[in-house]
Amino acid sequence: SQQGEEDPQALSIQEGENATMNCSYKTSINNLQWYRQNSGRGLVHLILIRSNEREKHSGRLRVTLDTSKKSSSLLITASRAADTASYFCATDPQRNDMRFGAGTRLTVKP
Amino acid sequence: DGGITQSPKYLFRKEGQNVTLSCEQNLNHDAMYWYRQDPGQGLRLIYYSQIVNDFQKGDIAEGYSVSREKKESFPLTVTSAQKNPTAFYLCASSIRAGEAFFGQGTRLTVV
Repeated sequence: SQQGEEDPQALSIQEGENATMNCSYKTSINNLQWYRQNSGRGLVHLILIRSNEREKHSGRLRVTLDTSKKSSSLLITASRAADTASYFCATDPQRNDMRFGAGTRLTVKP
Repeated sequence: DGGITQSPKYLFRKEGQNVTLSCEQNLNHDAMYWYRQDPGQGLRLIYYSQIVNDFQKGDIAEGYSVSREKKESFPLTVTSAQKNPTAFYLCASSIRAGEAFFGQGTRLTVV
């Protein structure tokens, strides 16, 4: 079963705007990760946030984690056309595994 | 260069055939994973392994088998028991509870 669920399923914005994607999960976790996938390719790791962290930044990316609500958000600031991709959150409900949500398809229009 | 390699990139299977997808990593990672991705969908976990000679079933293990005889290798066999194997298969490796590195995938089609 899917552990994480991303919201929205699809998001379309103009270049320069911010994009926010959300992830909700069902069980306790050790950490939560965000990945990006360009069409037909493997996934690329973006950022990892541990269960005892609340916020993390990496370049134009900002991730928050609320373990009480079992949710996380990924913010991409000043988006570019090259950010067009699918974004997935991944959690480790069994501590040794890694399960993904269904993803958010982001389209950034030039 | 360190990395994770999947082969082949494209694979065609006849009805009733078993096929094996290769996944090799030289990152010295203990953990390896296999996922299935259907068009427009997320990744579903097939099998994972945290150490050599040990592996666990994921959410959709039926019709698949794996082995982990070497740290570097985690091949996936799609058996004839898997009735709908056409999909994109992704392999990944990681240190425990860490960032995962993915291969470029194998696209399997039943002909």
